[in-house]
Amino acid sequence: DGGITQSPKYLFRKEGQNVTLSCEQNLNHDAMYWYRQDPGQGLRLIYYSQIVNDFQKGDIAEGYSVSREKKESFPLTVTSAQKNPTAFYLCASSIVGASFHSPLHFGNGTRLTVT
Amino acid sequence: AQSVTQLDSQVPVFEEAPVELRCNYSSSVSVYLFWYVQYPNQGLQLLLKYLSGSTLVKGINGFEAEFNKSQTSFHLRKPSVHISDTAEYFCAVSRGGSQGNLIFGKGTKLSVKP
Repeated sequence: DGGITQSPKYLFRKEGQNVTLSCEQNLNHDAMYWYRQDPGQGLRLIYYSQIVNDFQKGDIAEGYSVSREKKESFPLTVTSAQKNPTAFYLCASSIVGASFHSPLHFGNGTRLTVT
Repeated sequence: AQSVTQLDSQVPVFEEAPVELRCNYSSSVSVYLFWYVQYPNQGLQLLLKYLSGSTLVKGINGFEAEFNKSQTSFHLRKPSVHISDTAEYFCAVSRGGSQGNLIFGKGTKLSVKP
């Protein structure tokens, strides 16, 4: 079955360390997205990519970095510059990045805890 | 700029009762509206979407939503809920311009009690 795989499901890091969250999709989707979810805050867009080797900042990109070297993969690095990194991170993809109405397909998320 | 407001952060309801989860939006361009559901520790799943045409949209699991342009609302309804409907529900609106991504509301936690 096609889908989006996020790994690991739970991740623990010490403050000051960079950490990379994995996101892989086999849906052959062009666009991929990273959202951050905090309790009571809904989802906020971190970065998105509509095509390989290209990506754009979302609403809360500070302290994060991404790469899109392959269509299937869109890893997110949470750097030590991110002041409040503890959160639930969701990766998503859609069929055509430029389409207004392409629904998002989500992975099951990675819960990052930084102490 | 687009925005989404979900008017209730929590909605408790008894099993087999009807439920309405409220969503209002603001947008300066044509809107595309979505409802997603999230079960604990999982990603989001699409419940239904409004793109154009009939203002009453039917989705999965017996849910439906009505697009009301004059009220700028897109409320989600189900005539009879089940325990398994307990989850968090998110309303979303598409951004304008060339971006194909969504702006989400803060979510409504639906709690169905026996």
